[in-house]
Amino acid sequence: GAGVSQSPRYKVAKRGQDVALRCDPISGHVSLFWYQQALGQGPEFLTYFQNEAQLDKSGLPSDRFFAERPEGSVSTLKIQRTQQEDSAVYLCASSLTGELFFGEGSRLTVL
Amino acid sequence: TQLLEQSPQFLSIQEGENLTVYCNSSSVFSSLQWYRQEPGEGPVLLVTVVTGGEVKKLKRLTFQFGDARKDSSLHITAAQPGDTGLYLCAVLRGSTLGRLYFGRGTQLTVWP
Repeated sequence: GAGVSQSPRYKVAKRGQDVALRCDPISGHVSLFWYQQALGQGPEFLTYFQNEAQLDKSGLPSDRFFAERPEGSVSTLKIQRTQQEDSAVYLCASSLTGELFFGEGSRLTVL
Repeated sequence: TQLLEQSPQFLSIQEGENLTVYCNSSSVFSSLQWYRQEPGEGPVLLVTVVTGGEVKKLKRLTFQFGDARKDSSLHITAAQPGDTGLYLCAVLRGSTLGRLYFGRGTQLTVWP
């Protein structure tokens, strides 16, 4: 499709497991963002890439969170040693001229 | 205290009714965006307002930016079940274009 694609759509992890969430942005979009949306909340900024460069990672909540975009296209958000408070929907968005186009999100549940 | 306060948090109405939801702050913003998020989907941009006092219309939706650029409202005329969703307001934070701060949203349910 032509939109932002995220996988998996749903992920259940046991506390302490590592997870990896993938984002395939709209082709040609230079900017890529990750947001975290907890239940009943608005999305919160995690990190920003311009091509392969991670220019802003100030929203990552701890050093257990790591994101990469090695070739300037697909991005992966990795969460190590997951905790229950990591349960949320992780949204990826891409942009060319400023307007954000969001994917459907990956819902992570940590048991 | 949230940077953006949205009210009401929940709104449940019958098809055909009118409604207004609010996004308030004590801060001044250069622009403000409204998004709609449907269950299982990501937010979709509805409008960006830039000028104090600006009014923008999108079919049955009317968006207004406050004169002081601290608040905004969204008015829906003759609501339809397809309007059901989470309405979020958002503002740019910091120098990163696309780094948005979102309010908690208003969850709107329109019953047929």
